[in-house]
Amino acid sequence: GAGVSQTPSNKVTEKGKYVELRCDPISGHTALYWYRQSLGQGPEFLIYFQGTGAADDSGLPNDRFFAVRPEGSVSTLKIQRTERGDSAVYLCASSLSGGRQFFGPGTRLTVL
Amino acid sequence: KNEVEQSPQNLTAQEGEFITINCSYSVGISALHWLQQHPGGGIVSLFMLSSGKKKHGRLIATINIQEKHSSLHITASHPRDSAVYICAVRQGGSEKLVFGKGTKLTVNP
Repeated sequence: GAGVSQTPSNKVTEKGKYVELRCDPISGHTALYWYRQSLGQGPEFLIYFQGTGAADDSGLPNDRFFAVRPEGSVSTLKIQRTERGDSAVYLCASSLSGGRQFFGPGTRLTVL
Repeated sequence: KNEVEQSPQNLTAQEGEFITINCSYSVGISALHWLQQHPGGGIVSLFMLSSGKKKHGRLIATINIQEKHSSLHITASHPRDSAVYICAVRQGGSEKLVFGKGTKLTVNP
């Protein structure tokens, strides 16, 4: 497909476990964004990549959260020692730099 | 106070009505986005604008930079327009978006 894809669509894990969430952006999009959306709220910014580098990671809530984009395409959001408060929908978006952002369907993370 | 405020939070309309959703922001911006989110989570970008007005089909978005205010209008509303509409701003000098909490629109047949 031509859109942004995210896997898995749903992830249920236990408190304290490690999880990885994957984002495949639209081919050719240099910018990639991760957002988190809690129930009833608008999305909140986590991190932005321009190419391979994290240009702005000011939204990552703490050092349990980390994201990589080693080849400037696919990105992985990694959460260590998950907590119940991490439960949310994690959204990925991509764009040509400065342009409209195209969103993926999200990964719903539930931490029990 | 949130940097991006939307009103109303919830809106119910009858099919065919003209809809207006408002967005006010308190920071300097380089662009403003209107997004649509259907149940199930998928977000679609409707408009990105930095001045004036844009139109796409039955949707119109306007922005007043001096007043830090934008509106999204839907003409001849239809039940398939039922969704959450989210305003998001890109702050000057940054690529990250700051989102409003969204306006839940329900259009009844």
